[in-house]
Amino acid sequence: EDQVTQSPEALRLQEGESSSLNCSYTVSGLRGLFWYRQDPGKGPEFLFTLYSAGEEKEKERLKATLTKKESFLHITAPKPEDSATYLCAVLSVTGGGNKLTFGTGTQLKVEL
Amino acid sequence: NAGVTQTPKFRVLKTGQSMTLLCAQDMNHEYMYWYRQDPGMGLRLIHYSVGEGTTAKGEVPDGYNVSRLKKQNFLLGLESAAPSQTSVYFCASRNWKGPNYGYTFGSGTRLTVV
Repeated sequence: EDQVTQSPEALRLQEGESSSLNCSYTVSGLRGLFWYRQDPGKGPEFLFTLYSAGEEKEKERLKATLTKKESFLHITAPKPEDSATYLCAVLSVTGGGNKLTFGTGTQLKVEL
Repeated sequence: NAGVTQTPKFRVLKTGQSMTLLCAQDMNHEYMYWYRQDPGMGLRLIHYSVGEGTTAKGEVPDGYNVSRLKKQNFLLGLESAAPSQTSVYFCASRNWKGPNYGYTFGSGTRLTVV
């Protein structure tokens, strides 16, 4: 069974204070690791997909990296508008590779 | 381009009542999914469909039924609602081919069963 664990559960940062969110996973045959952003009362919004260990992707102040056991979402010089819940999910060969398994998320709060 | 549209956005049901949640996508996606999201539990897959006329069970299918009669629509039914089904329900879709396999989510349906 695929498992995804995110840490920390909640993170409070000052504006400009860089940090990282962690997503550790256990899957049989990773086909992709996904990061989503979710704002209160809205559906998750796609950020990145990573496919293989060593891969990195960037978007504005966010950078996602992947190893064989975990992924990190690095947030550089965050702003209050980066406040949201960040979700990690994996797509594996289990069940034909058709289903995402999600972690419980990291709730990020960026204060002025 | 609407993406994934869910109706209704909010609903209050009494225990034992039935209802259907509608998900519609206009991206010609093959795959569609129903998830529920509960505090501390994350998003859990209820049912999914890999194409018109097909459905499959996810992680938490009990108490729910689904139908995919048209490619663009995916219906989630609750035959006899229970308080344990109070949750936020999200529909998602994706194309089977593409560079990022990214799911597109709807904005959710908040369901309360009293």
